Amino acid sequence: AQTVTQSQPEMSVQEAETVTLSCTYDTSENNYYLFWYKQPPSRQMILVIRQEAYKQQNATENRFSVNFQKAAKSFSLKISDSQLGDTAMYFCAFYWRAQKLVFGQGTRLTINP
Amino acid sequence: GAGVSQSPSNKVTEKGKDVELRCDPISGHTALYWYRQRLGQGLEFLIYFQGNSAPDKSGLPSDRFSAERTGESVSTLTIQRTQQEDSAVYLCASSLAPARMDTEAFFGQGTRLTVV
Repeated sequence: AQTVTQSQPEMSVQEAETVTLSCTYDTSENNYYLFWYKQPPSRQMILVIRQEAYKQQNATENRFSVNFQKAAKSFSLKISDSQLGDTAMYFCAFYWRAQKLVFGQGTRLTINP
Repeated sequence: GAGVSQSPSNKVTEKGKDVELRCDPISGHTALYWYRQRLGQGLEFLIYFQGNSAPDKSGLPSDRFSAERTGESVSTLTIQRTQQEDSAVYLCASSLAPARMDTEAFFGQGTRLTVV
């Protein structure tokens, strides 16, 4: 079975700092996708970034980047120059040929002014 | 519509009553997913639709839970004889082409169900 683990229930940083959220997963699949979703208090899940397992290059989207270590089954999210609007729950998710997203338990990130 | 729409936004029901939660996916999206999110928890997969059929119902927690989809569009999640442990946010998501793993899933804002 595919599992996703986020070991940091809560994190807090000052505005403009860089923060890294960790995620590990377990699978025997070779081809899959990994995602980070953001869930602000509005409950709306928003896709932040995605990574295909076959791509060695780490994905980046503006201030968001990932460190994908396939052998270690690790997929961390780095947020640079953090902003107050980044305050939210962040979920790591795994998607494979079974066609469903499996989510981690989430990390509550607070950006302090 | 422009996005995934779920109704109602909030529902308070008495223990033992039945409830129906509705999801309107993005037009043309063939895949539809239901998830449950308990307070402070991650998302638990409930069921997945491809068109009107449900290839994966493995996450439905008991036979009190059922879901259907008609016209490759609207889906309803029904919970019979609700229990307090059913209290959660129920999230629906849709995607265009589930066979392509890079297809983004778009989420609705969820229905917060409270069983009293």
